[in-house]
Amino acid sequence: AQTVTQSQPEMSVQEAETVTLSCTYDTSENNYYLFWYKQPPSRQMILVIRQEAYKQQNATENRFSVNFQKAAKSFSLKISDSQLGDTAMYFCASRQETSGSRLTFGEGTQLTVNP
Amino acid sequence: NAGVMQNPRHLVRRRGQEARLRCSPMKGHSHVYWYRQLPEEGLKFMVYLQKENIIDESGMPKERFSAEFPKEGPSILRIQQVVRGDSAAYFCASSPEWTANTEAFFGQGTRLTVV
Repeated sequence: AQTVTQSQPEMSVQEAETVTLSCTYDTSENNYYLFWYKQPPSRQMILVIRQEAYKQQNATENRFSVNFQKAAKSFSLKISDSQLGDTAMYFCASRQETSGSRLTFGEGTQLTVNP
Repeated sequence: NAGVMQNPRHLVRRRGQEARLRCSPMKGHSHVYWYRQLPEEGLKFMVYLQKENIIDESGMPKERFSAEFPKEGPSILRIQQVVRGDSAAYFCASSPEWTANTEAFFGQGTRLTVV
């Protein structure tokens, strides 16, 4: 069984600064994928970044990067140069090889970027 | 290529009525997933369907909930005799195949309110 835990219900950051959102997970498989999704007030789920567990290199997408610590089962999201449009709920999610495209989500972190 | 289309965006039902939620997957996608998001929580997997087949319904409540994905037309999530606890956002996602490496694309969700 998969579990994903986000221990920070809310976070805030000043515009242009850097913020890190935490996520831990548990899985019994060796092959799995990890994701961060953004859910703005429109409720649309937007994929921010993904990480394949077999890759040691941390994924980056422009201002977004992850710190993937496989042994610790930790997968944090760093947002650099925060922008007002980054204000949203952020969900960490995992997907195991045996569960195909089925995702397991964490509880979410509400990020507010202040001007 | 239109994204995943869900309708209606908002649905209000009185207790005891039926709710029908529709999901049209992206063109070329034959795999559909339904998730439920209760207030202040992350998304929880409900059911995974391919055309005319339910593949995994392990997340579906045992009673009152059913899903289908007919050969023609959208996938339907049906909730009979709705109760207040069914109030939630229901998301549909689709993918072209069932592998962990395949991204699932989400619709904007249907917010069901039971009064």
